[in-house]
Amino acid sequence: NAGVTQTPKFQVLKTGQSMTLQCAQDMNHNSMYWYRQDPGMGLRLIYYSASEGTTDKGEVPNGYNVSRLNKREFSLRLESAAPSQTSVYFCASSPGTDPSTDTQYFGPGTRLTVL
Amino acid sequence: AQSVTQLDSQVPVFEEAPVELRCNYSSSVSVYLFWYVQYPNQGLQLLLKYLSGSTLVESINGFEAEFNKSQTSFHLRKPSVHISDTAEYFCAVTVSGGSYIPTFGRGTSLIVHP
Repeated sequence: NAGVTQTPKFQVLKTGQSMTLQCAQDMNHNSMYWYRQDPGMGLRLIYYSASEGTTDKGEVPNGYNVSRLNKREFSLRLESAAPSQTSVYFCASSPGTDPSTDTQYFGPGTRLTVL
Repeated sequence: AQSVTQLDSQVPVFEEAPVELRCNYSSSVSVYLFWYVQYPNQGLQLLLKYLSGSTLVESINGFEAEFNKSQTSFHLRKPSVHISDTAEYFCAVTVSGGSYIPTFGRGTSLIVHP
């Protein structure tokens, strides 16, 4: 059981470039999340998916798109990267469809730098 | 909307000393509360959570937190810390009964010195 995996671990982009962060979970969880973590800001939710085919915006969705490809995979795309998107990105999953009580299981993170 | 405040950004402490990490929330309705821990270069993992029942919640590694409704707090305590407890600790809160995603605090860095 690998849990939640994320690729890549590190990435450096130039302003304006695009990229997709990949996330997969092997726990048969229904819900998946994308967060960004910035110093002194804690975790902020970018997007959430309660099930395959559904996605909802979180606190900071601007500049990002997501795709829930199937139950296992939830990708995050930056269409035109900006320096303000330099951050550590975490993917998480939880078993049910009620995020208010579920335990979230986090991946190891992707450290992204935009120059 | 609910919010959560972790008053201390950093808490230095010596090994085997007691520690308290503070968490306060703002909500006028019933809440669910969580503590997550992030070890260096890792993702977060759940330490403990309060959903209902006993206001004192314990984790398997000696931490405990007490839900205090009148003080709107959920402080995390450990009577004797180890070097291995050095990590970032995040408090999170959500409103009960609404399927809302928890809001995370800014985190408290616990630094345990030998």
